[in-house]
Amino acid sequence: QSVLTQPPSVSEAPRQRVTISCSGSSSNIGNNAVNWYQQLPGKAPKLLIYYDDLLPSGVSDRFSGSKSGTSASLAISGLQSEDEADYYCAAWDDSLNVWVFGGGTKLTVL
Amino acid sequence: EVQLVQSGAEVKKPGESLKISCKGSGYSFTSYWIGWVRQMPGKGLEWMGIIYPGDSDTRYSPSFQGQVTISADKSISTAYLQWSSLKASDTAMYYCARHSGDFIAEGPGTSWFDPWGQGTLVTVSS
Repeated sequence: QSVLTQPPSVSEAPRQRVTISCSGSSSNIGNNAVNWYQQLPGKAPKLLIYYDDLLPSGVSDRFSGSKSGTSASLAISGLQSEDEADYYCAAWDDSLNVWVFGGGTKLTVL
Repeated sequence: EVQLVQSGAEVKKPGESLKISCKGSGYSFTSYWIGWVRQMPGKGLEWMGIIYPGDSDTRYSPSFQGQVTISADKSISTAYLQWSSLKASDTAMYYCARHSGDFIAEGPGTSWFDPWGQGTLVTVSS
């Protein structure tokens, strides 16, 4: 059972918008930055969003992040088949003194 | 280009030892912390620990303390993850990743991991 809670799966049609939630607590999301990673099938994770809502160079602006209190969200607009992947949220946990990850959300583009 | 390149897949028997590597290039290897992350088959990501190659300061997740050893050789820009006695439950993909900031001076609360190595698959089976 992961410290950060994500839905196991989401699905949406091409060109539509989808959001993935990530719920935590005051010791992780509530007090530290949230990062999002994209893991394409058979590949290593890749940084998608850092410091809650910042995009690394080279990442499409179809991706966006937000945070409120102890929850964070990843939004993907204009869905494309290439977006099919597992998405993980992550944050440092001040109580456990570890990096904690969500269980991952599998995105299916219908 | 900043890059982390990991050693190849390994197949081992229970009780055997193993050391896998992660070689950094395209940046000052001694100036950034390197973390290790486990992904068991079909499962999510778990942080194992982190090392500062500049002075080999190492921190472990309590879940992995005593189970693995993280080390680095700054002369060849390489970090390592090793086991002294493998178990079947160590079967997983292992990733190294560069930590964005100073883990101690700045704290990890505002940092992230980027880039990641391509992963090393470790299979432990009798």
